[in-house]
Amino acid sequence: KNEVEQSPQNLTAQEGEFITINCSYSVGISALHWLQQHPGGGIVSLFMLSSGKKKHGRLIATINIQEKHSSLHITASHPRDSAVYICAVSRTGNQFYFGTGTSLTVIP
Amino acid sequence: DVKVTQSSRYLVKRTGEKVFLECVQDMDHENMFWYRQDPGLGLRLIYFSYDVKMKEKGDIPEGYSVSREKKERFSLILESASTNQTSMYLCGLIGTSGEAYNEQFFGPGTRLTVL
Repeated sequence: KNEVEQSPQNLTAQEGEFITINCSYSVGISALHWLQQHPGGGIVSLFMLSSGKKKHGRLIATINIQEKHSSLHITASHPRDSAVYICAVSRTGNQFYFGTGTSLTVIP
Repeated sequence: DVKVTQSSRYLVKRTGEKVFLECVQDMDHENMFWYRQDPGLGLRLIYFSYDVKMKEKGDIPEGYSVSREKKERFSLILESASTNQTSMYLCGLIGTSGEAYNEQFFGPGTRLTVL
């Protein structure tokens, strides 16, 4: 059983579309993280949140603690948004659980 | 900004070879980690280090060891590489203070192929 489930696994969108990636988790957490991984490997942290909503540019992350659910939204998607998006949750200082990622392709 | 570097982006080794993967941070954070990433399995923790000479096994430590002699450097060692250790290896750290607290910072990854 995976502690973190993401959907969809793969997503193809046309440039300009509004995109939503979902994440559900089954454990108590101290924070939820959204990560981005471009082809080639490196992972960067997009958001870390424990309640409510955060926004950075065209990216918005929300979390509902009661429902153990988070969403990552991308407005006005662009081909450079093509990447794998990974949801992760943290518990104690070193305990992280990861989803298997959502592969997003944005077509011009 | 926190910077994490890894010694190689791509590495090809033969079965039975001893392999060293190095990870270096440019800050003074205590918590560092090594993950491997495989398709369909996501990131799995190999080892975690709380501080110099302190380590903790993760979910899949078999076939691996680690070394942390200095705070900024965390090395992953494959004592005798096997083909099932072909994978992407990602190291990094968890921020322990300020705005970076509990945030993960990753290196660029090393794609290891064992023939």
